[in-house]
Amino acid sequence: DGGITQSPKYLFRKEGQNVTLSCEQNLNHDAMYWYRQDPGQGLRLIYYSQIVNDFQKGDIAEGYSVSREKKESFPLTVTSAQKNPTAFYLCASSVQPPSGGRETQYFGPGTRLLVL
Amino acid sequence: ILNVEQSPQSLHVQEGDSTNFTCSFPSSNFYALHWYRWETAKSPEALFVMTLNGDEKKKGRISATLNTKEGYSYLYIKGSQPEDSATYLCASRGGNTPLVFGKGTRLSVIA
Repeated sequence: DGGITQSPKYLFRKEGQNVTLSCEQNLNHDAMYWYRQDPGQGLRLIYYSQIVNDFQKGDIAEGYSVSREKKESFPLTVTSAQKNPTAFYLCASSVQPPSGGRETQYFGPGTRLLVL
Repeated sequence: ILNVEQSPQSLHVQEGDSTNFTCSFPSSNFYALHWYRWETAKSPEALFVMTLNGDEKKKGRISATLNTKEGYSYLYIKGSQPEDSATYLCASRGGNTPLVFGKGTRLSVIA
């Protein structure tokens, strides 16, 4: 089945620890994205990548880091510098780089991160 | 940061009622408007992508219109069913920038 997988579904982290969220897609999409959702908020863009070995900051990149070493993978690391990391994290991908405007984004099932 | 507003925040309707909600976005430098449906415990799924002023899209009982001059889009659901219960997200792009999402409209259809 083609799609986007995120693991784990739930993740617990002790304060001060870094944690990495996985996102894998087998849709052969060029672009990948990370969003964060908090209660009462819309999806806010953390980072996005249009092509392998390249990525750009979104609106709320502070305290996060990413890598794009392979087309199908776009892991997100939540660092200890992120002041309020407890949230729901969604990964998405699209068939074209985000310059055409019309590309539909396909979303994974999300990871809920809880800082203890 | 481009600002996308959705109203109402939540909506309760009876089964069989028709309903609509609004997405507002900056009209300057408009590129595209997306609608997504997000059901509980599932991933958001694309409904429509619209780019031209006056665009109308339809998928079954759901349709959407776009007014890029005044910066709004309407999503209509005709004859709401319980399976339409979900959060409906709109997202807009201005120029060569990524999508910006609104906070969504949470629809509950009561049988």
